[in-house]
Amino acid sequence: GAGVSQSPRYKVAKRGQDVALRCDPISGHVSLFWYQQALGQGPEFLTYFQNEAQLDKSGLPSDRFFAERPEGSVSTLKIQRTQQEDSAVYLCASSFEARETHKEYFGPGTRLTVL
Amino acid sequence: QKEVEQNSGPLSVPEGAIASLNCTYSDRVSQSFFWYRQYSGKSPELIMSIYSNGDKEDGRFTAQLNKASQYVSLLIRDSQPSDSATYLCAVNRAGRRALTFGSGTRLQVQP
Repeated sequence: GAGVSQSPRYKVAKRGQDVALRCDPISGHVSLFWYQQALGQGPEFLTYFQNEAQLDKSGLPSDRFFAERPEGSVSTLKIQRTQQEDSAVYLCASSFEARETHKEYFGPGTRLTVL
Repeated sequence: QKEVEQNSGPLSVPEGAIASLNCTYSDRVSQSFFWYRQYSGKSPELIMSIYSNGDKEDGRFTAQLNKASQYVSLLIRDSQPSDSATYLCAVNRAGRRALTFGSGTRLQVQP
């Protein structure tokens, strides 16, 4: 595809429900990132994949958050037992390069609202 | 102290003026610096990257980096109402692949 795509675009969950957010990166992009963006704030890093390897998950706020990228392409971010503080926009970004001078391209995000 | 700091604004400039956006960062060994533009309700869009001290120009945009003073700025010449958005400064710290973002500066260009 032409860009990073994410689904669903909007998700409303009741507190305690599990949710799964999907990211389709740009074809051929090695690196994939998940960020969480609260209202009025900049994106906050959650986790990073290089191909199928999860190399950094230091930003995941709790063990309720889990991410995978089993075939090095599509990634899923799963949040178990959602809480109200999980309400945010979840952004996925991908990068062609694995070097630190990479440029990240963002998807449209999934807006999660936990009631 | 936040790792990447920006004035939240709003910064209001008249159409046609130069808008100057500033960002400071705390990690002295940061290597790569980026400016993203984010329209309300949309995702961040990369507009500039800069890796070495000095100026880098791209159309109406100029990024400036001063590693000794740990600041990076973005100048927008001939500002247009369509430039009204939040501008996010992002820094790539050495040894870490992910970007660290500031909270963004909201720019308003008055017609």
